Amino acid sequence: ETGVTQTPRHLVMGMTNKKSLKCEQHLGHNAMYWYKQSAKKPLELMFVYSLEERVENNSVPSRFSPECPNSSHLFLHLHTLQPEDSALYLCASSQGLQRAYGYTFGSGTRLTVV
Amino acid sequence: GESVGLHLPTLSVQEGDNSIINCAYSNSASDYFIWYKQESGKGPQFIIDIRSNMDKRQGQRVTVLLNKTVKHLSLQIAATQPGDSAVYFCAEIQMNTGFQKLVFGTGTRLLVSP
Repeated sequence: ETGVTQTPRHLVMGMTNKKSLKCEQHLGHNAMYWYKQSAKKPLELMFVYSLEERVENNSVPSRFSPECPNSSHLFLHLHTLQPEDSALYLCASSQGLQRAYGYTFGSGTRLTVV
Repeated sequence: GESVGLHLPTLSVQEGDNSIINCAYSNSASDYFIWYKQESGKGPQFIIDIRSNMDKRQGQRVTVLLNKTVKHLSLQIAATQPGDSAVYFCAEIQMNTGFQKLVFGTGTRLLVSP
């Protein structure tokens, strides 16, 4: 375990479903991130939170809705997704926004949209 | 735009051989690079990093070389073992509006056969 826990590990959902991904970090970090990892593409930064405040929304469609209730938890709410949204969604945390070298990643949620 | 990319998608080696994984970057102002290893079913894990004021840095069985003249980065793994089989990413820290973010290359899959 890296100290960043993601649940569920696998998720299959229909295009009309609503589901949520959860990320929890036990490292005392202040910044949390959502990344999307698709086959044969670089990891894409989706959202950045610092002390529960969103500081980056990287042109992500509104069908992805993040939530950060506290510095230890991060959620990604999903609704009316498309098959091309199938990917591995990775959560990461770091000590702060100026500590990108200290990223710790979770194991990801493998999402399949059918 | 600026990018970090990899030369080869797959590298196959025999156990005990030395492995070299290459990476090219385009932003000449980049000053910090990180190599990550991602095993199947896991998130990326930090291997080694290097700052632009260095040409070489060594870790345990790994060496990173930086050639700023040609904007090239390489990861050398000595005496490659089956446990080294994974996807390797180079990443560059870029300054964004008020925070540092990691920009990843597409990755190279290393396959180690016994």
